[in-house]
Amino acid sequence: DTMLTQSPGTLSLSPGERATLSCRASQSVRSSSLAWYQQKPGQAPRLLIFDASRRATGVPDRFSGGGSETDFTLTINRLEPEDFAVYYCQQYDTFPTFGQGTKLEIK
Amino acid sequence: EVQLVESGGIVAQPGGSLRLSCVASGFVFDDYAIHWVRQVPGKGLEWVSLISWDGVTTHYADSVKGRFIISRDNSKNSLYLEMNNLRAEDTALYYCAKDGKWAATSFYMDVWGRGTTVIVSS
Repeated sequence: DTMLTQSPGTLSLSPGERATLSCRASQSVRSSSLAWYQQKPGQAPRLLIFDASRRATGVPDRFSGGGSETDFTLTINRLEPEDFAVYYCQQYDTFPTFGQGTKLEIK
Repeated sequence: EVQLVESGGIVAQPGGSLRLSCVASGFVFDDYAIHWVRQVPGKGLEWVSLISWDGVTTHYADSVKGRFIISRDNSKNSLYLEMNNLRAEDTALYYCAKDGKWAATSFYMDVWGRGTTVIVSS
């Protein structure tokens, strides 16, 4: 199985700042088969990014994804109050596996 | 509105069985593969199973293989997960989630239900 390690575990930032979240794979993820999800308390995950860099329908353009092979990033520009949540990466090159999550909290 | 609604979660005994259901609306159900994903409260996400749009192809996580069976009834826009020989570690919130690719399988999930809770305890 491809293991995904997300860092940092918790990120404390203020609204208006930029957040950079990292996802590292234990082996190369072919075809950039990586997605990012946002999850708020008591809610289901929401797809933000797929194919490493493609925004899902309705996702604001302050969210962007990048990277390839084993190193991927999710960048959130100009943080809004509603962006503070837990973020998960998921690879789908092989059967799906998820990272352990990064909690983005208000500083 | 695209929607998935799960049901069937209860408290079950170790070694017991349970059947979860998921009803879809707002999209052409039989055009998409559907997944089950679970989450222990306060913990991360674990993919459980997938069924193709036509029900022909199924896949399972190693942790549930041989114990869980995924199925679908396209005439009822419904997905099922039959859970057998339940273990304490199956305790989780179970989500059904729509695959992101039309008439194929991408293995990412673009629409999720709100989940149904399964507790396995004696």
